[in-house]
Amino acid sequence: ILNVEQSPQSLHVQEGDSTNFTCSFPSSNFYALHWYRWETAKSPEALFVMTLNGDEKKKGRISATLNTKEGYSYLYIKGSQPEDSATYLCAFIGGGSSNTGKLIFGQGTTLQVKP
Amino acid sequence: DTGVSQNPRHKITKRGQNVTFRCDPISEHNRLYWYRQTLGQGPEFLTYFQNEAQLEKSRLLSDRFSAERPKGSFSTLEIQRTEQGDSAMYLCASSSRTSQETQYFGPGTRLLVL
Repeated sequence: ILNVEQSPQSLHVQEGDSTNFTCSFPSSNFYALHWYRWETAKSPEALFVMTLNGDEKKKGRISATLNTKEGYSYLYIKGSQPEDSATYLCAFIGGGSSNTGKLIFGQGTTLQVKP
Repeated sequence: DTGVSQNPRHKITKRGQNVTFRCDPISEHNRLYWYRQTLGQGPEFLTYFQNEAQLEKSRLLSDRFSAERPKGSFSTLEIQRTEQGDSAMYLCASSSRTSQETQYFGPGTRLLVL
């Protein structure tokens, strides 16, 4: 059974704080890792697709790193804003699912940014 | 809007009734996925279509669940004889070409079985 774990489960920060979350996944048989942001009543929005060990990706104030050898990815948000409040999901694709692209999701980290 | 659309957005039904959800993927996306999310959990994979062929089904998909994608365009997910445990958010996603491509999600159909 493939297990994808995210921590923390929830996070409350003040506007302007920087924050980071962790996603851990099986280190063997890695194919790809996806990050999504999901705001209430909206569609999950793709942030990053990461495929190579050592990958670093950036989108505005949000960035992510990937370590496939030890099986973790970090998502960083610099200078959090209230509009960053959402649930952040990571999703793993194992080598056995490389043809289908079946995503195995973590349970998510819910971020609340207080003005 | 050329994103993934899902209908209905909300469905309330009584236990034992049948329900059907529809997903319209981004046009020209040949890959289509259904996921289910219950409270406090991340989405769980249900099934995958490449064009009109259903190539993978999760063991979560009991014989009360059936999904189709006629002509490789829109997809339907039907649940027969609904149970209270079927209450969840049902998400559809589509992508193109390879399994490393971004999956674009619809807003989901929230099902409540009374």
